[in-house]
Amino acid sequence: DTEVTQTPKHLVMGMTNKKSLKCEQHMGHRAMYWYKQKAKKPPELMFVYSYEKLSINESVPSRFSPECPNSSLLNLHLHALQPEDSALYLCASSQVATGTGAFNEKLFFGSGTQLSVL
Amino acid sequence: EDKVVQSPLSLVVHEGDTVTLNCSYEVTNFRSLLWYKQEKKAPTFLFMLTSSGIEKKSGRLSSILDKKELFSILNITATQTGDSAIYLCAVKGAQKLVFGQGTRLTINP
Repeated sequence: DTEVTQTPKHLVMGMTNKKSLKCEQHMGHRAMYWYKQKAKKPPELMFVYSYEKLSINESVPSRFSPECPNSSLLNLHLHALQPEDSALYLCASSQVATGTGAFNEKLFFGSGTQLSVL
Repeated sequence: EDKVVQSPLSLVVHEGDTVTLNCSYEVTNFRSLLWYKQEKKAPTFLFMLTSSGIEKKSGRLSSILDKKELFSILNITATQTGDSAIYLCAVKGAQKLVFGQGTRLTINP
């Protein structure tokens, strides 16, 4: 199984709503990522979890709150978003080198959640 | 700041043509360069290159890296309509993976 599964595929929410994006992988990868991709732009890194601990936060606003409940699951909790947060949110996973802890750059991506904030 | 630049940004060709996509980079402590294909949503991995001058090949797709001149090319021969996609180049430096803007390739029948 080489899939990264994301739900929901589409989400429309108001600025006062609270919602969550979910991501699951069963490849035994110990690094998991959230990327944000606006139309016609490359993916931008938001967060990286390594061994269920937050390793990188790219100065993302606190209205985005990541959570890694276990090695297979990654959530992104959304609260009080702005219309400019509308984008495709991609989850990815990769191996982590034992010993060095370096993230393997070969990422496996999910199909994303297309988010619209009204 | 690490930077990855792809060209052209957009390319339209006819089925059967050969295309060359370009990726240049400025990255601290280069580790590797990767090519991804993004159709609709999920980017899918194509190649990872770490050494100069060694061509990676998969069917009609091939890629090569020049670490001296800091660029890579992705070639697609005998293009098919199914090759239509955005092709993303990404470079791993000291820390994170940095993506280029992508090349939007359209293959017309």
